[in-house]
Amino acid sequence: GEDVEQSLFLSVREGDSSVINCTYTDSSSTYLYWYKQEPGAGLQLLTYIFSNMDMKQDQRLTVLLNKKDKHLSLRIADTQTGDSAIYFCAERSGNTGKLIFGQGTTLQVKP
Amino acid sequence: EAGVAQSPRYKIIEKRQSVAFWCNPISGHATLYWYQQILGQGPKLLIQFQNNGVVDDSQLPKDRFSAERLKGVDSTLKIQPAKLEDSAVYLCASSLDVAGVVSTGELFFGEGSRLTVL
Repeated sequence: GEDVEQSLFLSVREGDSSVINCTYTDSSSTYLYWYKQEPGAGLQLLTYIFSNMDMKQDQRLTVLLNKKDKHLSLRIADTQTGDSAIYFCAERSGNTGKLIFGQGTTLQVKP
Repeated sequence: EAGVAQSPRYKIIEKRQSVAFWCNPISGHATLYWYQQILGQGPKLLIQFQNNGVVDDSQLPKDRFSAERLKGVDSTLKIQPAKLEDSAVYLCASSLDVAGVVSTGELFFGEGSRLTVL
């Protein structure tokens, strides 16, 4: 089946690194995504990684993919208070292309 | 470039009443999705259209929910009659995906329509 799991909450201090973890089940997923949701807003794509890659870096964001363990992580370097939001991991279904989301990780950044 | 437009942003109704949500995707996007996001949970797909055809509606409670995408552009999602557990944010998203064309599959989301059922 298709399922995505995330830890629910992470609290860090401003300037520290944040690491948000995710596991997924669909081994045929072609892309995996990280979306950010701020209060009262829709979801905004942060970054994505193709399934044949194991790492992708984009400014302060680093995505690591362990395809064998079906584990995805998002590292935010030098976390700022503006990074406080809910972060969703999503896998792309190999069959229909739909995105299947985890339950979201709330990131709290303390000054 | 205009984003995904949704209306209304907020709606409060009593149980057993009906409600309709409207979505206008990004111009040229072939695929349109309706997701339901209950408070504290991740978005759950209700229905996926490609142009005006349904690709996946396996999670749509068809006894009360219906959706259409006439002419392959705008879409409406209707709930009739509403139940308390339908209180959620209804997110519309679109993507460029078309059959046979490889893309990153990025979904662009609207701001959502928040439904409260009393």
